[in-house]
Amino acid sequence: KAGVTQTPRYLIKTRGQQVTLSCSPISGHRSVSWYQQTPGQGLQFLFEYFSETQRNKGNFPGRFSGRQFSNSRSEMNVSTLELGDSALYLCASTGLSDTGELFFGEGSRLTVL
Amino acid sequence: GENVEQHPSTLSVQEGDSAVIKCTYSDSASNYFPWYKQELGKGPQLIIDIRSNVGEKKDQRIAVTLNKTAKHFSLHITETQPEDSAVYFCADTLGYALNFGKGTSLLVTP
Repeated sequence: KAGVTQTPRYLIKTRGQQVTLSCSPISGHRSVSWYQQTPGQGLQFLFEYFSETQRNKGNFPGRFSGRQFSNSRSEMNVSTLELGDSALYLCASTGLSDTGELFFGEGSRLTVL
Repeated sequence: GENVEQHPSTLSVQEGDSAVIKCTYSDSASNYFPWYKQELGKGPQLIIDIRSNVGEKKDQRIAVTLNKTAKHFSLHITETQPEDSAVYFCADTLGYALNFGKGTSLLVTP
């Protein structure tokens, strides 16, 4: 069974640009969540989607947005990039068994110059 | 959950020794406490978890203990091996998400 796939793995942007990151969950998983990982703040929750509906949102500005498609694939978008948005963005999926386990992808490393 | 405090931030042990990482949570409504291991260049992976109706759980060399009264939970790794070197994160629940501690970088030296 394939794991969570995130694309692109690495990208470099400049301040003011926008970026879209993609996440394909494990087949059959309908919940997808996104986390931002930085050395200073650790792992911080961005948002969670289930069946195309955002169920929970973390404490990030409106420049961070996301969506989920009918096939459970998810995208997140960051507009008007700032230097502080440089981070590893991790996507995780969860299955219906609701054990609580998050299955993480390897992340998309964003560098903002 | 609200804040999860995790200590220590770095830990170095010799192969074969035990390692203990401690976390404190503040939300008394939290009822699920997982531990994740992140190796270099990879996403975090669940290694063990515990629910609030259990005080201790063990899986081979790894164990987790929970003290609900004190709002503490700890990860215990016995007979450490070099492949245990990684960053470990504790977490509690935050609605449909996890609220992570800042992580502990564990180094096991041969």
